[in-house]
Amino acid sequence: AQKITQTQPGMFVQEKEAVTLDCTYDTSDQSYGLFWYKQPSSGEMIFLIYQGSYDEQNATEGRYSLNFQKARKSANLVISASQLGDSAMYFCAMRELNSGAGSYQLTFGKGTKLSVIP
Amino acid sequence: ETGVTQTPRHLVMGMTNKKSLKCEQHLGHNAMYWYKQSAKKPLELMFVYSLEERVENNSVPSRFSPECPNSSHLFLHLHTLQPEDSALYLCASSQAGWGDTQYFGPGTRLTVL
Repeated sequence: AQKITQTQPGMFVQEKEAVTLDCTYDTSDQSYGLFWYKQPSSGEMIFLIYQGSYDEQNATEGRYSLNFQKARKSANLVISASQLGDSAMYFCAMRELNSGAGSYQLTFGKGTKLSVIP
Repeated sequence: ETGVTQTPRHLVMGMTNKKSLKCEQHLGHNAMYWYKQSAKKPLELMFVYSLEERVENNSVPSRFSPECPNSSHLFLHLHTLQPEDSALYLCASSQAGWGDTQYFGPGTRLTVL
């Protein structure tokens, strides 16, 4: 079973509108962390936002917010006021305390390609 | 220089060549990682070094050989690669705590002919 599922291969959004990118995860650990990264066509993975499994508040970073629904095991990324520069691949990732690699393992989803339309 | 840097950014090599990828981090971190990103596949963790000791290699073929001489530098030595090894190789670093964020470099795009 996939640990991270991103069901939207591609999304379009109008400039200045908000967009939600879906992510569901599968883990039996109580302690885990969820991350979102942005990858422009240049290749670099840019860290956007982090949510810990024990965090009660949804994480926010500027125009990015994470809609964390623990019971549903979902961690959707919300981008408000989309900009042309937001066009990129977006990856959801999870780190489990009891994963392999001494808990350093980051498991990534397959990503969602976001295109912002002027 | 700031963040995580990688050289070269692009590399084309034949199957019999030997080459090395270099990664350097300027963030004061003490854990470093190599990831492989192939087309249409999720990122795969290849190697982890924490406090300059290898933690995991995730069953990577021996034609990939990592080296971590200190906490700021990480190398990936390549020899007798196969065309299916063509991919984007990403380096990352973090503090050596399980919840700490990994910060990535720009990657080396490798093509094996």
